[in-house]
Amino acid sequence: QQQVKQSPQSLIVQKGGISIINCAYENTAFDYFPWYQQFPGKGPALLIAIRPDVSEKKEGRFTISFNKSAKQFSLHIMDSQPGDSATYFCAAPRRSSASKIIFGSGTRLSIRP
Amino acid sequence: NAGVMQNPRHLVRRRGQEARLRCSPMKGHSHVYWYRQLPEEGLKFMVYLQKENIIDESGMPKERFSAEFPKEGPSILRIQQVVRGDSAAYFCASSPSTSGLQSGELFFGEGSRLTVL
Repeated sequence: QQQVKQSPQSLIVQKGGISIINCAYENTAFDYFPWYQQFPGKGPALLIAIRPDVSEKKEGRFTISFNKSAKQFSLHIMDSQPGDSATYFCAAPRRSSASKIIFGSGTRLSIRP
Repeated sequence: NAGVMQNPRHLVRRRGQEARLRCSPMKGHSHVYWYRQLPEEGLKFMVYLQKENIIDESGMPKERFSAEFPKEGPSILRIQQVVRGDSAAYFCASSPSTSGLQSGELFFGEGSRLTVL
């Protein structure tokens, strides 16, 4: 099974700081790279996503940076807030008719007031 | 509520019993996925179904686990003769046609948390 490797496993950031979570993938059959946010006791929800023909996508305080040659993409949360405390998953869907979406192992983010 | 509905939210079973988890996808969605999340771990793909068809079950254990998505009614994930290692949160997600596969957007339910005593 294709791998999507995510780091760090956990992250503590002061309020107002920048949170950075990284993902690396192995297979070039992925053609869309989403990030999901999951709060305790809830299901994951799509936060932001990027296509590989774009190097960066920004939505409010959230930015995805994509490095196709390095097969890496990262999530940046600017001006991190306590409400951002959650678990974040990177993911990659495969470009095939019987595909599935592979998730990274998750990063537990805690924003300290 | 037009979201993905899962029930029960919490289920306790003793070893050897059967667990049945149900998932009603969002209205208009014909693709259903089941994922398992162990404590402090990520989401592991189990099975992908369309109405009356299993498309990909490569992530589902060969024994004791089965899934269906009948023409009428919810998708069901069935675990027979549960063991303690089956304790986890089971999430169902849905997408409309194949767009979810291509765009990466799945709509998740709030999960069913199975505890095996």
